Amino acid sequence: ETGVTQSPTHLIKTRGQQVTLRCSSQSGHNTVSWYQQALGQGPQFIFQYYREEENGRGNFPPRFSGLQFPNYSSELNVNALELDDSALYLCASSLIGQGVVEQYFGPGTRLTVT
Amino acid sequence: EDQVTQSPEALRLQEGESSSLNCSYTVSGLRGLFWYRQDPGKGPEFLFTLYSAGEEKEKERLKATLTKKESFLHITAPKPEDSATYLCAVRPGGYQKVTFGTGTKLQVIP
Repeated sequence: ETGVTQSPTHLIKTRGQQVTLRCSSQSGHNTVSWYQQALGQGPQFIFQYYREEENGRGNFPPRFSGLQFPNYSSELNVNALELDDSALYLCASSLIGQGVVEQYFGPGTRLTVT
Repeated sequence: EDQVTQSPEALRLQEGESSSLNCSYTVSGLRGLFWYRQDPGKGPEFLFTLYSAGEEKEKERLKATLTKKESFLHITAPKPEDSATYLCAVRPGGYQKVTFGTGTKLQVIP
């Protein structure tokens, strides 16, 4: 069984730039959720993708957007980066249906905005 | 709005000294309460899902319990390798958003 993978591991960007983060879901899973985790805080839900469509969104502005591909992998795009976007970005995969509710996380991408 | 509060923020234990971590929550129709372990700079590692009050689950030195308002993570005879941040999260019924607490940072001293 293949776990959740994310790329890149670390990334440094300048304020105002755009960034794309990538995630491959665990084999057999059909749903991907993205979270932002600031230092010393719990993960904050950004959005979830199921069947290639957004399936729920947290309190994040539209400059945070995403995609899910037919193989269930996903991208998180952030435009017009701000200093406060510096955080660990986590991807979690899960399986909607069959009574499964838990999510499994990838190792994260550490984004630093300067 | 769903809320999760974890206490204490930090806990320092001697090896072998048992203790409990607390997670208080408010949620609209609990679909699942989750416990995760997170090591520094890494993604959370899934530990348990609890679905209804009275439920208990165990894994090695960890035991999670659930009431209608709280969950406890009991750590029996901890070892230094149990040192990590433990996160609690809830998922409401009919909605995909999972709300996390800020975690309890556990340090086990040899």
